[in-house]
Amino acid sequence: EDKVVQSPLSLVVHEGDTVTLNCSYEVTNFRSLLWYKQEKKAPTFLFMLTSSGIEKKSGRLSSILDKKELFSILNITATQTGDSAVYLCAVEARGGAGSYQLTFGKGTKLSVIP
Amino acid sequence: EAGVAQSPRYKIIEKRQSVAFWCNPISGHATLYWYQQILGQGPKLLIQFQNNGVVDDSQLPKDRFSAERLKGVDSTLKIQPAKLEDSAVYLCASSSGLAGGRYFGPGTRLTVT
Repeated sequence: EDKVVQSPLSLVVHEGDTVTLNCSYEVTNFRSLLWYKQEKKAPTFLFMLTSSGIEKKSGRLSSILDKKELFSILNITATQTGDSAVYLCAVEARGGAGSYQLTFGKGTKLSVIP
Repeated sequence: EAGVAQSPRYKIIEKRQSVAFWCNPISGHATLYWYQQILGQGPKLLIQFQNNGVVDDSQLPKDRFSAERLKGVDSTLKIQPAKLEDSAVYLCASSSGLAGGRYFGPGTRLTVT
């Protein structure tokens, strides 16, 4: 069974701090790893990673994938209160009948205090 | 570009009642997904459609859950009869192909009492 484990489960930091969120996985037929941000509503797509060692960056957020060690990290620099959310890691793997299944971790709840 | 639309946003029903949720995906997205998210957990796939055909419904509790996407655009998810453990947020998502980033709708929060 595919497995995605995120750590830590929750984190409290002060504005301006830098945080690193971790995601490790065990899947067969890996295709990609995705990061989502979830506030009090639907998950918002952040990044999709398919290749090892290539950093994806969007503003203060960046992410990298290590396909050999089966993990990814999501970095947020100079955190702001608006970064407070649950960050979900999901791994996409090929399933049956040509489908691609997405398995989510439980998420890391980030709280940024002023 | 309009996002994924869902309705209703909230629903409270008693156990053994039935309920239906509606989803309209992003225009042009052939693949549509229904996920169930229980509090404190990541979303879990219930069913995946490619156009109007089912690609994966292996985790759909078929004794009580059903879903359809008759014209390959809108979709409805039904629960009949509901159980207490069905209390969750039901998320609809779409993507342009069978793989890649899923774009989620705002979800329907279901409470079964």
